[in-house]
Amino acid sequence: SQQGEEDPQALSIQEGENATMNCSYKTSINNLQWYRQNSGRGLVHLILIRSNEREKHSGRLRVTLDTSKKSSSLLITASRAADTASYFCATAGANAGNMLTFGGGTRLMVKP
Amino acid sequence: DSGVTQTPKHLITATGQRVTLRCSPRSGDLSVYWYQQSLDQGLQFLIQYYNGEERAKGNILERFSAQQFPDLHSELNLSSLELGDSALYFCASSVGLAASDTQYFGPGTRLTVL
Repeated sequence: SQQGEEDPQALSIQEGENATMNCSYKTSINNLQWYRQNSGRGLVHLILIRSNEREKHSGRLRVTLDTSKKSSSLLITASRAADTASYFCATAGANAGNMLTFGGGTRLMVKP
Repeated sequence: DSGVTQTPKHLITATGQRVTLRCSPRSGDLSVYWYQQSLDQGLQFLIQYYNGEERAKGNILERFSAQQFPDLHSELNLSSLELGDSALYFCASSVGLAASDTQYFGPGTRLTVL
């Protein structure tokens, strides 16, 4: 079963705009990760945020984590057409080894 | 390119048949994971091996089994296939067992059961 929900399920923006995707989860976590998947291909790891961190940056990506609300957000700034993909959050449980539990994903379309 | 290879890329078979999916992890990675991605269930963890030993099991059906060989490659065996087994099957690898170890995903095997 999936750990949580991602919101929105689909997002369409213009190139240059910012894209924000949200993820909620249900159980205690060790860390939360974001992955990207281009149409039916493999997943690419984007960023990992540990449960004791609140915010992390990597290039145009900014991730926040609120463990009290069991939620995270991924912000992609100055989006490009090449950012068009599905984005998934995945959690590594606090007591569940390092298997990942994925959300349902957000399909992002960036129009040129 | 993640460094994880999976074969075959596509597999079309009939109900009741048995197939084997193969995965080679990144050089140096000891952990291998199998995930299933389907339209109705999303991405689900199936099973994990570490250095040849089973470490964790997720939503893996009894008709499915896996193993990791001494050279660290892994195979996922799916038997008595049903239409609902049609999905993308991903293999991932990581260096160890730490929750913070990045999992690198292969390109997947698309299984179609007719």
